[in-house]
Amino acid sequence: DTAVSQTPKYLVTQMGNDKSIKCEQNLGHDTMYWYKQDSKKFLKIMFSYNNKELIINETVPNRFSPKSPDKAHLNLHINSLELGDSAVYFCASSSRDRGLVSSYEQYFGPGTRLTVT
Amino acid sequence: GESVGLHLPTLSVQEGDNSIINCAYSNSASDYFIWYKQESGKGPQFIIDIRSNMDKRQGQRVTVLLNKTVKHLSLQIAATQPGDSAVYFCAENSGGSNYKLTFGKGTLLTVNP
Repeated sequence: DTAVSQTPKYLVTQMGNDKSIKCEQNLGHDTMYWYKQDSKKFLKIMFSYNNKELIINETVPNRFSPKSPDKAHLNLHINSLELGDSAVYFCASSSRDRGLVSSYEQYFGPGTRLTVT
Repeated sequence: GESVGLHLPTLSVQEGDNSIINCAYSNSASDYFIWYKQESGKGPQFIIDIRSNMDKRQGQRVTVLLNKTVKHLSLQIAATQPGDSAVYFCAENSGGSNYKLTFGKGTLLTVNP
């Protein structure tokens, strides 16, 4: 069973195009995240949603727009793609409230490798 | 040393040896730390975590040590196996309510058979 899934796994597109990446988790978690991993493997948080509410919005160009239709899904739409957007994008999820114990542990998807030419 | 191209700290060990991967964290207010393993082409995978009220935690073949005085975290892997070859990340939660993890630079571990 796939816990956190992303589609597509690979995305090759030209500068100026608009593209979306989708993420779904079947863990029953209430919080989801998008990360960007650059060519040097540096992993940086972009956005986070808790119960469909945006709670983390790092310094990301407004060409990037996350959308959470429900707790199990968090999509990332990117407008006017640029060369510097080329990276691996990871979705993750966690359960902020687990009864009396909250957890910071995040479960990651397999990643989407975006290449902008 | 550094791996050319990736610019990651690297650690190369022989199979069967013990590995120690180090991490310096930045925020003295951080109350939770976690180690992730990322194999080539995959997403990061949880290894072990530790809260700031502890200084040591053990798992299966792995031990995490936390030294809050010098803001240092280490991951020890016993009897390292070829399957342990991966990039290892430490991450910290700075105690905020947003459950944000800040990831370290990553260390590339290579296990030689």
